[in-house]
Amino acid sequence: SQQGEEDPQALSIQEGENATMNCSYKTSINNLQWYRQNSGRGLVHLILIRSNEREKHSGRLRVTLDTSKKSSSLLITASRAADTASYFCATAGDSGNTPLVFGKGTRLSVIA
Amino acid sequence: NAGVTQTPKFRVLKTGQSMTLLCAQDMNHEYMYWYRQDPGMGLRLIHYSVGEGTTAKGEVPDGYNVSRLKKQNFLLGLESAAPSQTSVYFCASSYIAERYEQYFGPGTRLTVT
Repeated sequence: SQQGEEDPQALSIQEGENATMNCSYKTSINNLQWYRQNSGRGLVHLILIRSNEREKHSGRLRVTLDTSKKSSSLLITASRAADTASYFCATAGDSGNTPLVFGKGTRLSVIA
Repeated sequence: NAGVTQTPKFRVLKTGQSMTLLCAQDMNHEYMYWYRQDPGMGLRLIHYSVGEGTTAKGEVPDGYNVSRLKKQNFLLGLESAAPSQTSVYFCASSYIAERYEQYFGPGTRLTVT
């Protein structure tokens, strides 16, 4: 069963705009991670936010985590055509050492 | 460092044939994983390993076997391929534990006819 569910499934924006993707999950987590996948490639880790953190930044990426709502958002500011990719959230459970569970992803298209 | 590599990149099998996918990592990672990715389904974990000589089942293990004889290699076997196993297969590894950052290979696109 998949823990994280991204929303929307697909998003199309103009270059320079901000892109926001959301991830909801069902059970308590140790951390939540975001990955990017360019077409035909493997996933690349973007950022990890722990359950006791509320916000984290990395370059043009901003991730928030609301454990009370069991949700996270990924904001990409000033998007570029090169940001076109699929973005996945992955959750790590807080009980024992269990593998990450990935969501189905949001497909982002940035139009130049 | 090459990171995580996968062999082969593409393969076409007939139903009932067998094959082995090879994953290799040069980062001295303890943990390794095999996923399959199907359209609209995201990534689903097939099997994983927490160290040399160990393996464990993931979400969709049926029809697959794995072996981790050497720390740097993780093999995924299909004994009798079925069309339902047509997919893109990704290998990944991580250093600290299952719950932390994973490094992915480029994928193997498998078609079973």
